[in-house]
Amino acid sequence: GAVVSQHPSWVICKSGTSVKIECRSLDFQATTMFWYRQFPKQSLMLMATSNEGSKATYEQGVEKDKFLINHASLTLSTLTVTSAHPEDSSFYICSARDLGDSNQPQHFGDGTRLSIL
Amino acid sequence: EDQVTQSPEALRLQEGESSSLNCSYTVSGLRGLFWYRQDPGKGPEFLFTLYSAGEEKEKERLKATLTKKESFLHITAPKPEDSATYLCAVQGWNQGGKLIFGQGTELSVKP
Repeated sequence: GAVVSQHPSWVICKSGTSVKIECRSLDFQATTMFWYRQFPKQSLMLMATSNEGSKATYEQGVEKDKFLINHASLTLSTLTVTSAHPEDSSFYICSARDLGDSNQPQHFGDGTRLSIL
Repeated sequence: EDQVTQSPEALRLQEGESSSLNCSYTVSGLRGLFWYRQDPGKGPEFLFTLYSAGEEKEKERLKATLTKKESFLHITAPKPEDSATYLCAVQGWNQGGKLIFGQGTELSVKP
């Protein structure tokens, strides 16, 4: 089945640090990947849609200069949280859909737990 | 505005006690309704996709059904390993593949 790998799984860092999270589709190609944020006991909130070879599309209220997205290949998208602060602490999850079949569901990575001290 | 509401927020069952989870939705042109299972500290795991009213899908103890306004996830004779949060999401046409998630139902099955 389709596998999405996310790295790292857990990050603790000081306030003001920038953190990069990687999302890879391991056995399929994905033109589009999605980045979500999830707070405890809440559902997934879409932050942005990452498109290979073009600029990401951000949801309303999400700062594009704060959350930098790069989608340089059909199997890799990265999310960089710049100058992170404690309020950025959350669970970040990526997903990808197989390029070859638009009816395929999104497959999710196992998330990155980000804790800013 | 597209919206997904799941109920109940939490459900506690005894092992073997069958029940149903509800997902009510409004979307301008349903392309697909998705059910996912999420374990603590993990990403969602895909369960089912439903495309049109009247459609049903089954997997082991789970059965998903769809009407024009809601979907149900029926759990028959659940086991403790079925404990998880179950998420419902909808995708509309012309939305670039975006999913709108409900808040989830946290299921706990006691032995």
